[in-house]
Amino acid sequence: AQTVTQSQPEMSVQEAETVTLSCTYDTSESDYYLFWYKQPPSRQMILVIRQEAYKQQNATENRFSVNFQKAAKSFSLKISDSQLGDAAMYFCAGGWADKLIFGTGTRLQVFP
Amino acid sequence: DVKVTQSSRYLVKRTGEKVFLECVQDMDHENMFWYRQDPGLGLRLIYFSYDVKMKEKGDIPEGYSVSREKKERFSLILESASTNQTSMYLCASSEGTVFSYEQYFGPGTRLTVT
Repeated sequence: AQTVTQSQPEMSVQEAETVTLSCTYDTSESDYYLFWYKQPPSRQMILVIRQEAYKQQNATENRFSVNFQKAAKSFSLKISDSQLGDAAMYFCAGGWADKLIFGTGTRLQVFP
Repeated sequence: DVKVTQSSRYLVKRTGEKVFLECVQDMDHENMFWYRQDPGLGLRLIYFSYDVKMKEKGDIPEGYSVSREKKERFSLILESASTNQTSMYLCASSEGTVFSYEQYFGPGTRLTVT
């Protein structure tokens, strides 16, 4: 069975600093995709970044980047130059077979 | 921009009532999903649909049913609401294969069953 684990229920970061959110997963599938979604307070969940498992290059989107370690089944999200608007719940998700499986989420607080 | 809307942001129902949650997307997506979000449990898939009148059970379908009569609309039905169904319900839609494409989410419906 596929699983996605986020071991950090809460994280905090100072504005302009860098923070890394951890995610590990388990699957026997060879074809899969990994995602980070952001859910701001009282707002809709949106996609932050997407990684295709067959691509070795780590995905980046502006201040957001991932560290994809396929052998270790690790998929962490790095947020650089953190901003107050980055405060949210972040969900790691794995897409394989016929479904998307979400982790339990990490609540990120950003302090000025 | 893709837009996914849900019929209510907040809903309070009594135990035993029949509850309808509606979701509409405006991007002609084939796939639509209903999730339940609970603290410490993340998002869990209740049902999804890959075409009109087609549905597949997710991980926690018990106590729920769905209806998709039109491509843009996907309804979640609680036949007889119970207090353990108090939760945040999220609808989502996507194009293409279920596991590889971005899912677009609605704002959520916070349902309280008393």
